[in-house]
This record gives sequence, C-alpha cells and structure tokens, in this order.
Amino acid sequence: AQTVTQSQPEMSVQEAETVTLSCTYDTSENNYYLFWYKQPPSRQMILVIRQEAYKQQNATENRFSVNFQKAAKSFSLKISDSQLGDTAMYFCALIQGAQKLVFGQGTRLTINP
Amino acid sequence: KAGVTQTPRYLIKTRGQQVTLSCSPISGHRSVSWYQQTPGQGLQFLFEYFSETQRNKGNFPGRFSGRQFSNSRSEMNVSTLELGDSALYLCASSSGGVTGEQYFGPGTRLTVT
Repeated sequence: AQTVTQSQPEMSVQEAETVTLSCTYDTSENNYYLFWYKQPPSRQMILVIRQEAYKQQNATENRFSVNFQKAAKSFSLKISDSQLGDTAMYFCALIQGAQKLVFGQGTRLTINP
Repeated sequence: KAGVTQTPRYLIKTRGQQVTLSCSPISGHRSVSWYQQTPGQGLQFLFEYFSETQRNKGNFPGRFSGRQFSNSRSEMNVSTLELGDSALYLCASSSGGVTGEQYFGPGTRLTVT
C-alpha cells in the first residue's frame, strides 16, 4: 500500500521568507505522480505543483519548486518570497495508475506580516 | 472553462437519514473521484467513476455509494447516516488519463446530528 507522510503539522514564517515543507512517501511502483495541493480557509483544494516520478528534473511553478529525491522517496515543497495569500493547509499526495490520490496529513502554513 | 461544481454546499441531516450529493466535473473530463475529509482521518478516497463505471473503490462501508451519468455528472449517496459521517466531501475531476491531475470542487459540508 502507498503511504504519504508529512512530519510538520504546523509551520510559520514571515512574509517574503522562503519556507520548505517536507514530505516522504512509500510505494513499490516505479511509475507514479506526486503533487502538492493547497487548501486555504475557503476549503477549496488547489493544485500547486506536479512531479512525474520518471523525470529527474525538479518541477517549478513560479515561486513554488520541489526537491524530488526518488531514491530517498522524498518530495519537499519550497515556497520562495512567501506571501500572505500562501497561508493554507498544504497536502502532499501520491497517485499511481488508478485515479486514487493518497494524501499526507497536511502541514498548516501561516505567513505572518 | 468552468470549474468543478458541487451541490449543495452545506447540508444538515439527522442520524438514520440518507443524503445525496452532486458533482459536475470540468467540461470534457470523464473521471470523477470522491474524497471524505475529516479532522481525525484526513483525506480519504471513496470511489472513482469513469464513463459511468466505477473503476476504483476505497475502504468505506456499503452505505456509501455513487453513480455517474452519461454527461459525466456524478452523485454520491450515503444511507443510514451516522454521526461519524460528518465531514467535508470533495469531488475531483480529471480526464481519466495517466497523468493523474485532479481538480477539486469546493466541497459539500455535511453535518449529521
């Protein structure tokens, strides 16, 4: 069975700082996809970034980037120049084959002014 | 393109009743997945429908069921409601292909009293 673990329940940083959220996962498959989703207080789940396991290059989306270490089964999210609007719950998720996302427990990120 | 819509947004039911939630996917998407989100259990996969067929099912009792119509709209039904069914129910839409990207609706907040 696949599992996703986020070891940081809460984090807090000042606006404009850089923050890194950690995620580890376990799967026996070689082909899979990893995601970071953001869930602000509105509860709308928003896709932040996606990484294909077969790609060595780390995905980036504007201020968001990942550090994907396949051998270590690690998938961290770096947010640069953090903004107040980044305040949210962040979920790491794994999918392989079937359309079934396996989520971590989430990290509550607060950006302070 | 319009996003994923879910109705109703909020619902209050009594133990023992049944409830039906609705989800309309992004136009052109043929896969609809359902997730339950609770503070204790986090985000858990319920089931996924693709072209009117259930392709995957999570580990939930038979009281939880769903269906998908020819226009890809999906409904999920919960019968004999229990207090523990109180949760945010999220619907996600995707093309159903191997890339795995799922786009979420705003959710239905179900409260069982």
